[in-house]
Amino acid sequence: GAVVSQHPSRVICKSGTSVKIECRSLDFQATTMFWYRQFPKQSLMLMATSNEGSKATYEQGVEKDKFLINHASLTLSTLTVTSAHPEDSSFYICSAQDRSTDTQYFGPGTRLTVL
Amino acid sequence: EDQVTQSPEALRLQEGESSSLNCSYTVSGLRGLFWYRQDPGKGPEFLFTLYSAGEEKEKERLKATLTKKESFLHITAPKPEDSATYLCAVLAQGGSEKLVFGKGTKLTVNP
Repeated sequence: GAVVSQHPSRVICKSGTSVKIECRSLDFQATTMFWYRQFPKQSLMLMATSNEGSKATYEQGVEKDKFLINHASLTLSTLTVTSAHPEDSSFYICSAQDRSTDTQYFGPGTRLTVL
Repeated sequence: EDQVTQSPEALRLQEGESSSLNCSYTVSGLRGLFWYRQDPGKGPEFLFTLYSAGEEKEKERLKATLTKKESFLHITAPKPEDSATYLCAVLAQGGSEKLVFGKGTKLTVNP
């Protein structure tokens, strides 16, 4: 089955620092990747859609200057949380779409804690 | 507007007690309906993709079915390790690649 990895799985940082999260599709090429955020006991909230080689499309209310997304290759997308603050603490999950089946495969998630 | 409604919100079963989860949807042309399971602190794990009414897919104790208005996830003789939140999502025709998710059904299987 299709595998999507995320790194790191957990990160703790100080307020004001930046954090980069990597998302890789390991056994298929993904033209489109997605970044989600999930609060405890809540549904997945789509933050942005990224297409390889082009700018990401952000959902309403998501600050594009704060959450920088790069999708430079067909197997790698990165999310950088810039100048992180405690309210950015959350569970971030990426997904990659297999175009042959329209199916999104999700990564295991990254738990970000900002002190 | 595309919508997905899952029921029940929560379901408790005894080990071996079969049941079904429901996913009702309204969408302007269905490209695909997806079932995932999510364990606490983890990303959703893919289970099934269904594309057209009448389609059925099976995997171990799980069977997913699809009609023009809803999908069912049947769980036969569940085990405690089947305890998880089950998510249903649809992908609509029309160019957007965004999934529309239901709120999920939290399944607990007691030994």
